[in-house]
Amino acid sequence: KAGVTQTPRYLIKTRGQQVTLSCSPISGHRSVSWYQQTPGQGLQFLFEYFSETQRNKGNFPGRFSGRQFSNSRSEMNVSTLELGDSALYLCASSWGTSWGNEQFFGPGTRLTVL
Amino acid sequence: GIQVEQSPPDLILQEGANSTLRCNFSDSVNNLQWFHQNPWGQLINLFYIPSGTKQNGRLSATTVATERYSLLYISSSQTTDSGVYFCAVVNYGQNFVFGPGTRLSVLP
Repeated sequence: KAGVTQTPRYLIKTRGQQVTLSCSPISGHRSVSWYQQTPGQGLQFLFEYFSETQRNKGNFPGRFSGRQFSNSRSEMNVSTLELGDSALYLCASSWGTSWGNEQFFGPGTRLTVL
Repeated sequence: GIQVEQSPPDLILQEGANSTLRCNFSDSVNNLQWFHQNPWGQLINLFYIPSGTKQNGRLSATTVATERYSLLYISSSQTTDSGVYFCAVVNYGQNFVFGPGTRLSVLP
């Protein structure tokens, strides 16, 4: 069974631009969660989607948004990029919600904002 | 929300040594996972262990949910064990919370 895939793997943007990251979960998994990892803040939860509904949202500004499609694939969007948005963005999938199911992570998208 | 602490923050071992990593959490949890992050950033699942004890080769883990801690044991360490080890926990209806990690360096 294929693992979680994320595209693109690397991205360079400039301040003020917007970016869309994509995540394809493991086949059959209905939950997708997104995390941001930075050296200063560690791994922080962004949001979780289950069956196309946002189930939970972390403490991030409204510039960070996401959605999930009927095939469980998910995208996250960051608008008006800031230098501090440079990070590794990881998505994870699980069969059900993360509260009671094992999460599996993708390889991540490394975003650099110049 | 739940607070997660991991100790030690850094650990340097000689190949072949054993080690114990600890994860303390501040509230009851429904889910606890241990991960190994490799140098390329990929989080590798080690254990899904909200309670009890599990073993997988040279690695084993124990979670004592009533006392709010989990331990990860690495025996006969190898250089490929180097990296950062994270525990992550979640309670019903809340966000997954990661600990700050333990950075392990295994020297040949």
